[in-house]
Amino acid sequence: AQSVTQPDIHITVSEGASLELRCNYSYGATPYLFWYVQSPGQGLQLLLKYFSGDTLVQGIKGFEAEFKRSQSSFNLRKPSVHWSDAAEYFCAVGWRGNKLVFGAGTILRVKS
Amino acid sequence: DARVTQTPRHKVTEMGQEVTMRCQPILGHNTVFWYRQTMMQGLELLAYFRNRAPLDDSGMPKDRFSAEMPDATLATLKIQPSEPRDSAVYFCASGPSLNQPQHFGDGTRLSIL
Repeated sequence: AQSVTQPDIHITVSEGASLELRCNYSYGATPYLFWYVQSPGQGLQLLLKYFSGDTLVQGIKGFEAEFKRSQSSFNLRKPSVHWSDAAEYFCAVGWRGNKLVFGAGTILRVKS
Repeated sequence: DARVTQTPRHKVTEMGQEVTMRCQPILGHNTVFWYRQTMMQGLELLAYFRNRAPLDDSGMPKDRFSAEMPDATLATLKIQPSEPRDSAVYFCASGPSLNQPQHFGDGTRLSIL
């Protein structure tokens, strides 16, 4: 069965520090990969997506993610976190002809 | 920017009442999704449509929930009768196809007393 795992439920980082949020998926076929962010009281907003090509993709708000097929991973990174990045982050994976599967989310807290 | 519009944004009602939530997907998007989000269960997919036809509603309690798309500009999610355990934020999302990014509305925050 297709599944998406975000191993970290909560992560706390200091403002200005680097960030990496992990995402792993199961299933062998080539996936479509997405990261979303949800601020309190709002819907999910797309940060970035990967369909094919360069495995390092750039998104909005200074985020990037790298697809590593050998590790079945699509980790989200940001070199320097800002207090406004505090939110919940969702990884989502899709396979051709099927709906997206969302991870359980990672809540990011930023310490000043 | 085109966006998914959900109404109402907030709804408080007593158990046993009918609740109807509405969604206007982005024009040209042919897939529409309904999600429910709670602290305990996280984000759950309830049902989704392609070209207004229901593809999968296995995530929905069938006895009280129903989802329809009367036309391409309107999707509805109804709960009848409502129960306190239905209290959650309900999101609608639309996308150009199943594998393309979904665009989410701001949700309907539902409280059943």
